[in-house]
Amino acid sequence: DQQVKQNSPSLSVQEGRISILNCDYTNSMFDYFLWYKKYPAEGPTFLISISSIKDKNEDGRFTVFLNKSAKHLSLHIVPSQPGDSAVYFCAALDQGTYKYIFGTGTRLKVLA
Amino acid sequence: GAGVSQTPSNKVTEKGKYVELRCDPISGHTALYWYRQSLGQGPEFLIYFQGTGAADDSGLPNDRFFAVRPEGSVSTLKIQRTERGDSAVYLCASSPGALDTQYFGPGTRLTVL
Repeated sequence: DQQVKQNSPSLSVQEGRISILNCDYTNSMFDYFLWYKKYPAEGPTFLISISSIKDKNEDGRFTVFLNKSAKHLSLHIVPSQPGDSAVYFCAALDQGTYKYIFGTGTRLKVLA
Repeated sequence: GAGVSQTPSNKVTEKGKYVELRCDPISGHTALYWYRQSLGQGPEFLIYFQGTGAADDSGLPNDRFFAVRPEGSVSTLKIQRTERGDSAVYLCASSPGALDTQYFGPGTRLTVL
C-alpha cells in the first residue's frame, strides 16, 4: 500500500512558466515532508521541506504548499528553467522510525 | 565539503554470487541509511544506523541482506546468493542526527545476470 503517491509520472512545462508537482499521502500521522530532485546517474538532492505546523515554505523559485486536511502537498517552481528538468520525489518522514517514505517520482521536462 | 560517496558506482554480478556495496557518509554524520530504488519507483528504505548499531533493519527484504557499520562511519551492505530481482540502484544517505535532512550518495547500480 503506497503511503506517499505521486500520480503524475511526467510533466512538461514551457520555460518561464510555472511547474506544479503534486503529492498525496495517506497517513495522517506524517508531519514533515520533503522534496528531492534527481538527475540521471546521481543521488537525490534535497530541495525543500515543510513541517505540518506551516502551510507554505518558500525558497527562491521553489515553494511547497501543504494542505493537511486533504493530505496533499505540492511543489511550485516559478519561473521554470531548463536546468530544472529532473525527476522530483516527494517524501514523508516517519518520525517513529526516522525513515523517509518516498513517492514514485514525477519526471519534469522544461522546454526551452 | 565532501558529500556521501558510494563504491562501486556499477556492479555486475552473476546469480548466486556475493556482493558488497560501500558507503562513506559525510564526516560527523551519526545517522546512516540504505535505500533501494527499482526502475520506476522511489527509493525504498532498507536499514538505518545510529552510530554503530542498526536502529531499524525492518526494510531488509530477507536474510540474504546484511549491513554493518563497525566504527560508526563507513557502512557496507552485503548481499549473499544474489538473485536477478536484487538488481536495482542502492542508495546510501547520511544525516547529522536522526531527524535531520538526509543527504544522498550517487548510488551503486547493481545488475544481477
